Amino acid sequence: EVLLLESGGGLVQPGGSLRLSCVASGFPFGSYAMSWVRQAPGKGLEWVSTISGLGDTTYYTDSVKGRFTISRDNSKNTLSLQMNSLRAEDTAIYYCAKLTYFDSSVYWGQGTLVTVSP
Amino acid sequence: QSALTQPASVSGSPGQSITISCTGTSSDVGGYNYVSWYQQHPGKAPKIMIYHVSNRPSGVSNRFSGSKSGNTASLTISGLQAEDEADYYCSSYTRSSPYVFGTGTTVTVL
Repeated sequence: EVLLLESGGGLVQPGGSLRLSCVASGFPFGSYAMSWVRQAPGKGLEWVSTISGLGDTTYYTDSVKGRFTISRDNSKNTLSLQMNSLRAEDTAIYYCAKLTYFDSSVYWGQGTLVTVSP
Repeated sequence: QSALTQPASVSGSPGQSITISCTGTSSDVGGYNYVSWYQQHPGKAPKIMIYHVSNRPSGVSNRFSGSKSGNTASLTISGLQAEDEADYYCSSYTRSSPYVFGTGTTVTVL
């Protein structure tokens, strides 16, 4: 059974930092790109960032470039998202996900809530 | 990285068929056969319903089907059932990023 378990969410003040983690199990983690997707309260899904299986290639949505850093530790089956200079508009549920267009092996975690507020 | 355009809401009676559109550009939907569709019930994580434009994962009802024409992808739900009431999102590969999601469509079963 595939499991993606996120942690690290919480309440942070504007300008603050937070580090999200996602521990994966049930599939060969190091063989696949991994992503973070967020969903603001009552809003739609927004892709945030993707990292290749080896960790040597990263992609970010424009609104987080220079503020967020995605990384992974394949020895620990762990995906991370370092979030700096947080803004109110970063408030959302953050999902860890293995996404692909090529087959049905798409997996999502249950999400962790990040709230940016004074 | 603009979101793909979906209708905000679509409704239908039980047993009817509905279609949700997902409109992009030649830089995303129109340029690649990499479109997926997700179903999301309130408080739950999204669930893959269609991948690679028209492929259905095992376990997903054959009432769900996907297609694409030009810059617009579509998800059709036939024989609408109460359990289909949910939010639906399309996703596409783009020239500038590996993923972009649609604006989302709320399906209501009347």
